[in-house]
Amino acid sequence: RKEVEQDPGPFNVPEGATVAFNCTYSNSASQSFFWYRQDCRKEPKLLMSVYSSGNEDGRFTAQLNRASQYISLLIRDSKLSDSATYLCVVNIGASKIIFGSGTRLSIRP
Amino acid sequence: NAGVTQTPKFRILKIGQSMTLQCTQDMNHNYMYWYRQDPGMGLKLIYYSVGAGITDKGEVPNGYNVSRSTTEDFPLRLELAAPSQTSVYFCASSYAGVNQPQHFGDGTRLSIL
Repeated sequence: RKEVEQDPGPFNVPEGATVAFNCTYSNSASQSFFWYRQDCRKEPKLLMSVYSSGNEDGRFTAQLNRASQYISLLIRDSKLSDSATYLCVVNIGASKIIFGSGTRLSIRP
Repeated sequence: NAGVTQTPKFRILKIGQSMTLQCTQDMNHNYMYWYRQDPGMGLKLIYYSVGAGITDKGEVPNGYNVSRSTTEDFPLRLELAAPSQTSVYFCASSYAGVNQPQHFGDGTRLSIL
């Protein structure tokens, strides 16, 4: 089993839709969690940190479920500009930073 | 406000050649990282540094070396380039440790032929 797993997609949804995807992790000692966004042939950019209590930033909501060992990202009222690959990151320690392979999201007009 | 700067942006090497990928940051971040990203894959940690003079191996260090003589600079060296090292290399930095988000440079695309 991979340490961090994401559905590769692609998720193809219409503009204005709500879309959600999960990221599962295997190490219960994981300390911190993030969602990054990566556009084609560009560097990853931080979308949001994921806190135990859940957190929201505009149209984006991230949640952590430690019992089931997954994090989730919900995007409401999706925009064309949300089309990208979304990477989850799980940190176990300074030498153990695991990036998921990413979920591709495509928003159609 | 440059952030993390990587040079070069593109490079083609022949098998057996060596080169240094440069990375510098102007945010006074303590932690710096080198990753590689193969097509369709997530990033894999090569080396990291928690401060000047301190470096340590990540998940895939073989074939690479690093140094950290200053807070700002964290070069990555390939000594004997192999086709398996064809990848996109990203440098990143963060203020503190793993609970802080990382800021990435825009990458170096390296092809070994």
